[in-house]
Amino acid sequence: ILNVEQSPQSLHVQEGDSTNFTCSFPSSNFYALHWYRWETAKSPEALFVMTLNGDEKKKGRISATLNTKEGYSYLYIKGSQPEDSATYLCALSSGGSNYKLTFGKGTLLTVNP
Amino acid sequence: NAGVTQTPKFQVLKTGQSMTLQCAQDMNHNSMYWYRQDPGMGLRLIYYSASEGTTDKGEVPNGYNVSRLNKREFSLRLESAAPSQTSVYFCASSDWAEETQYFGPGTRLLVL
Repeated sequence: ILNVEQSPQSLHVQEGDSTNFTCSFPSSNFYALHWYRWETAKSPEALFVMTLNGDEKKKGRISATLNTKEGYSYLYIKGSQPEDSATYLCALSSGGSNYKLTFGKGTLLTVNP
Repeated sequence: NAGVTQTPKFQVLKTGQSMTLQCAQDMNHNSMYWYRQDPGMGLRLIYYSASEGTTDKGEVPNGYNVSRLNKREFSLRLESAAPSQTSVYFCASSDWAEETQYFGPGTRLLVL
């Protein structure tokens, strides 16, 4: 069983603050790293799929970086808004396909107005 | 375009009862998945179907069976429910090319 760790577990920030959190994973047999956003009472929604070392992806105010050699990915949110409040999940796929995702436990972000 | 749909939304079972959770997708995706989500555990893969006609075990398959009925539908069956199977169950699907998994709204199951 792969160990995907996310930190911190939870985070409270003020509206307008920028924030970031971490996903750590075993670098051996890496295939892809996925980021999902999960709002309360909804389903997880995909943010990014990252495959290459050094990859950077951006969607609006949210961006992510990937370091496959040292086994970590950062998710950044610039100028947080209350609607960014959600649990952010990362998931690792390995072994040559995206069929088996191993999810971290998530970082719960709360943005206070 | 409904995406991934799941039925029922909520179910209460007694220990030993059986039931089938239904999942359907209308995105013409090849691959489908069943996860369970428990407090403090994150999402864990139960079974997946890489393509129509194939199914494979995930991380926590014990106590479950699956059927890929056709390209659209993937069902999860609990033959003899146990309290440890109390959880929220999510179905997901993906296309080979895109690799992103799209999740359904979840089924909340309580086993007494």
